[in-house]
Amino acid sequence: EAQVTQNPRYLITVTGKKLTVTCSQNMNHEYMSWYRQDPGLGLRQIYYSMNVEVTDKGDVPEGYKVSRKEKRNFPLILESPSPNQTSLYFCASSAGQGFYHEQYFGPGTRLTVT
Amino acid sequence: KNEVEQSPQNLTAQEGEFITINCSYSVGISALHWLQQHPGGGIVSLFMLSSGKKKHGRLIATINIQEKHSSLHITASHPRDSAVYICAVKGWFGGSQGNLIFGKGTKLSVKP
Repeated sequence: EAQVTQNPRYLITVTGKKLTVTCSQNMNHEYMSWYRQDPGLGLRQIYYSMNVEVTDKGDVPEGYKVSRKEKRNFPLILESPSPNQTSLYFCASSAGQGFYHEQYFGPGTRLTVT
Repeated sequence: KNEVEQSPQNLTAQEGEFITINCSYSVGISALHWLQQHPGGGIVSLFMLSSGKKKHGRLIATINIQEKHSSLHITASHPRDSAVYICAVKGWFGGSQGNLIFGKGTKLSVKP
């Protein structure tokens, strides 16, 4: 089954404790992206990757890091989480350049930073 | 000013009604997506449009590039259509290739 998986689905952590949210897709997609969703602000793009070893900033990259060492994986790293990073996070993938094809979303990761 | 505006923000309909959700954008775009977010939070892609009109089942999406406007129509609405519908565009401005700009969504509730 074609899918995008994210782990963990729920995470409560404390300020400053490094964490990684994993994202994996099994569709051999070139394009992968991370979004955060906040009430009243909607979805906003954090980082995206056009292919292995190619990443670029979205609209809200501050406080986040990403890497794309393998085509299927695109982890999101919070080196020193802060309460303003409490949010619902989605990973997505797509064929080609990303936006001209159907986007496949992961189930979401709800992160709370206290 | 938001670059992508959706209207209405909230919409309540009776089962069977014809529904229209609008998306207006202020930048030149190369493509536009309609997404559906279920009450449980999951997001699925409904349509990708660069021109014209697309239809899938009871859903129809149209785009007018000159007027910078897209509409999502739902015919014979059903309670299972209750969700948040999100418009997203890839603009020519405002960022490098790959940046997406999202509307804030339209929350649809269809009553039986």
